[in-house]
Amino acid sequence: DSGVTQTPKHLITATGQRVTLRCSPRSGDLSVYWYQQSLDQGLQFLIQYYNGEERAKGNILERFSAQQFPDLHSELNLSSLELGDSALYFCASTRAADSPLHFGNGTRLTVT
Amino acid sequence: AQKITQTQPGMFVQEKEAVTLDCTYDTSDQSYGLFWYKQPSSGEMIFLIYQGSYDEQNATEGRYSLNFQKARKSANLVISASQLGDSAMYFCAMREWYSSASKIIFGSGTRLSIRP
Repeated sequence: DSGVTQTPKHLITATGQRVTLRCSPRSGDLSVYWYQQSLDQGLQFLIQYYNGEERAKGNILERFSAQQFPDLHSELNLSSLELGDSALYFCASTRAADSPLHFGNGTRLTVT
Repeated sequence: AQKITQTQPGMFVQEKEAVTLDCTYDTSDQSYGLFWYKQPSSGEMIFLIYQGSYDEQNATEGRYSLNFQKARKSANLVISASQLGDSAMYFCAMREWYSSASKIIFGSGTRLSIRP
């Protein structure tokens, strides 16, 4: 158990809808990362938060947004969903620059 | 810009043999870290090993070792005495350090299949 909790595990929704993915980092970890993994693909970095502030941005679509709350949990909001947004979305947290990322089990999003 | 390259999309290895998974990286930073992760078919991401750019010794964790060649910008993962349970996707990742903001990017992965 990595200590990172992601909910829900599975999400099935229709095109055009909006969903929210939630992540609770490991206790003590200030930094949260979001990644998208499409079928049989690598992990695409979306965004990083550190202690409530956005710190680094990757290939995140304008339809996607994220935030990290004072209690350090994070949410990834995906709107105007398209079929191509179907993927496994991972949240990961870390404590320091030389510490590994600890991943949650992911949220599998299916857009129909 | 940082870049991670894994040139082996798939590999087949006989059980009990050693296997080397290739990873090359590109960065202009002097301070960075390199990671390897394993993703079994169940989907979770499992941390295997870490190497810092200033570490003089190659990292080792049980059957895993990281062959770090800084001048060549390579960070190959070596798995000794492979087991059937090693069949999985393996990802190399890099983190550039700049204060509390640091992208961690992943390579495209290598699918390792262990033959009995």
